[in-house]
Amino acid sequence: DTEVTQTPKHLVMGMTNKKSLKCEQHMGHRAMYWYKQKAKKPPELMFVYSYEKLSINESVPSRFSPECPNSSLLNLHLHALQPEDSALYLCASSLGRLGENTGELFFGEGSRLTVL
Amino acid sequence: AQSVAQPEDQVNVAEGNPLTVKCTYSVSGNPYLFWYVQYPNRGLQFLLKYITGDNLVKGSYGFEAEFNKSQTSFHLKKPSALVSDSALYFCAVTGGFKTIFGAGTRLFVKA
Repeated sequence: DTEVTQTPKHLVMGMTNKKSLKCEQHMGHRAMYWYKQKAKKPPELMFVYSYEKLSINESVPSRFSPECPNSSLLNLHLHALQPEDSALYLCASSLGRLGENTGELFFGEGSRLTVL
Repeated sequence: AQSVAQPEDQVNVAEGNPLTVKCTYSVSGNPYLFWYVQYPNRGLQFLLKYITGDNLVKGSYGFEAEFNKSQTSFHLKKPSALVSDSALYFCAVTGGFKTIFGAGTRLFVKA
């Protein structure tokens, strides 16, 4: 069983909708991540939060807006998405000592997003 | 720039036979190398990692990996494959907070 919980598991939205993906972990990890994964492809890094501060934004379009309300929660706000944004969105966490991470990532089960 | 390569899209092996999934890496400095497994419609699960120390790393579910600095390889191995090992396997390298994944290798274990 994964210790990173993602909701919802499935989401279908139109291009004008606003929705959010949620992620929660209670392992005391201080680094949290959003990845995007297309079918049969490796995960692609989108955002990294370290100690609740945005550390990395991999040039993600502004229609994706991350938020880290506290050390256990990570949200991804979605607005005006395109059909090509349909994918599996994976949340992950790691111990994340300040400024570095040599530990493994713990992934959630993912939220499968379909944009119509 | 750091990268990993998985030269095989797919590996087929009979149950009970040994399996190897190949990975080569390119990093500057010390490599932090990982293997993850992904079952259908699931997130990735950590199998094992090499940070430093012994070149043979043992991980979950009977998997192990051998770090070879001269060949810049980190191949995943298991002495006896199970049908339940059939999944998508990713090699990865981590630097700072960035983990770069290989393209993935699909393992089919036939009964």
